Amino acid sequence: DSGVTQTPKHLITATGQRVTLRCSPRSGDLSVYWYQQSLDQGLQFLIQYYNGEERAKGNILERFSAQQFPDLHSELNLSSLELGDSALYFCASSVVGNSANTIYFGEGSWLTVV
Amino acid sequence: QQQVKQSPQSLIVQKGGISIINCAYENTAFDYFPWYQQFPGKGPALLIAIRPDVSEKKEGRFTISFNKSAKQFSLHIMDSQPGDSATYFCAASRRGQGAQKLVFGQGTRLTINP
Repeated sequence: DSGVTQTPKHLITATGQRVTLRCSPRSGDLSVYWYQQSLDQGLQFLIQYYNGEERAKGNILERFSAQQFPDLHSELNLSSLELGDSALYFCASSVVGNSANTIYFGEGSWLTVV
Repeated sequence: QQQVKQSPQSLIVQKGGISIINCAYENTAFDYFPWYQQFPGKGPALLIAIRPDVSEKKEGRFTISFNKSAKQFSLHIMDSQPGDSATYFCAASRRGQGAQKLVFGQGTRLTINP
């Protein structure tokens, strides 16, 4: 158990809908990351927050947004969902946000868009 | 553009054998090279990592070999066991402004036959 908690574990929704994925980082970790894992794209970095502030952005679609709250939990909002958004979404956390930090991954949220 | 290329996609090794997975990167600014292990239904977990100032790092049965001039690094699993059967991902990240974006290879599905 990495200590990173993600909810929900599984989610099925229809195209055009909006969903929110929630993440609680490991105790003491200030940085939160979101990754998308799909068969065709592999593991892709979406976005990083550090202590409530956005630190880095990857290949995150404009329909997706995230935030980190004062209690350090994070939410990833996915809107106007398309079939291609079906994937496993991982949250991860680390103590700080610099290079060479060990990043701990949660078990993921399976999103199926039908 | 894929910045980290991983091979092979799948690998079958007999119990007790040596498993070798290779990765090549393009961005010379990368300064942190971790390997992650992922079991079905779980998130990736850090296995071992290396910085470019050393050519080899060993932890138990796992060794990373790093060739900076060739921009390649590899994972060697000695005395491979059935419990090592998993998907392995190499990754790379670069130092910069308090951010850490891991760029992952496409993964190698390793099967250890008993």
